[in-house]
Amino acid sequence: GENVEQHPSTLSVQEGDSAVIKCTYSDSASNYFPWYKQELGKRPQLIIDIRSNVGEKKDQRIAVTLNKTAKHFSLHITETQPEDSAVYFCAASFSGGYNKLIFGAGTRLAVHP
Amino acid sequence: DTAVSQTPKYLVTQMGNDKSIKCEQNLGHDTMYWYKQDSKKFLKIMFSYNNKELIINETVPNRFSPKSPDKAHLNLHINSLELGDSAVYFCASSQDPLAGAEQYFGPGTRLTVT
Repeated sequence: GENVEQHPSTLSVQEGDSAVIKCTYSDSASNYFPWYKQELGKRPQLIIDIRSNVGEKKDQRIAVTLNKTAKHFSLHITETQPEDSAVYFCAASFSGGYNKLIFGAGTRLAVHP
Repeated sequence: DTAVSQTPKYLVTQMGNDKSIKCEQNLGHDTMYWYKQDSKKFLKIMFSYNNKELIINETVPNRFSPKSPDKAHLNLHINSLELGDSAVYFCASSQDPLAGAEQYFGPGTRLTVT
């Protein structure tokens, strides 16, 4: 079935440390993997995404890696700051070519000053 | 200049009532979506319309009926509301319906059924 598993469910780090969130997906045909950040009471916002023809993508302190063989992808945040505290969701596209996103259960990241 | 807007922001109603949530996007996108986020923050797609045509229809009770009068609007009507319908409902839009198109979310509508 269509499934995305996300770990850990909660993550607590000290300011300046790195944070890593991991996801696995079930459909080998998935070809698009976005990451969303949701602050308390706010809408989910795209922070980075990766397509299946790329193994790694970086945007300042944020990077995403994709291993298609193992069907898993990861979000890496370096030099964490208190404003990085939020819930992070991974997602994978399903249903052939359509933009049907199945989301992971989310990771609550807390960055302590 | 809000890209994706929803009304109302909060909706409190009793079991058995019928209610609607409205969504509008001014991005010129062809595709719109409805998501449900439950109390555990789990985010699940419900429907998607592309240029007024239904293209994604997940396993959702038929009490939920989306309607797209034009490609800038996607409304969600819910009949005979139940306690389990309490959640935050997010509308989203993307430029096209193909995998890889960034989805922009609205601010959400918090529905509470008592």
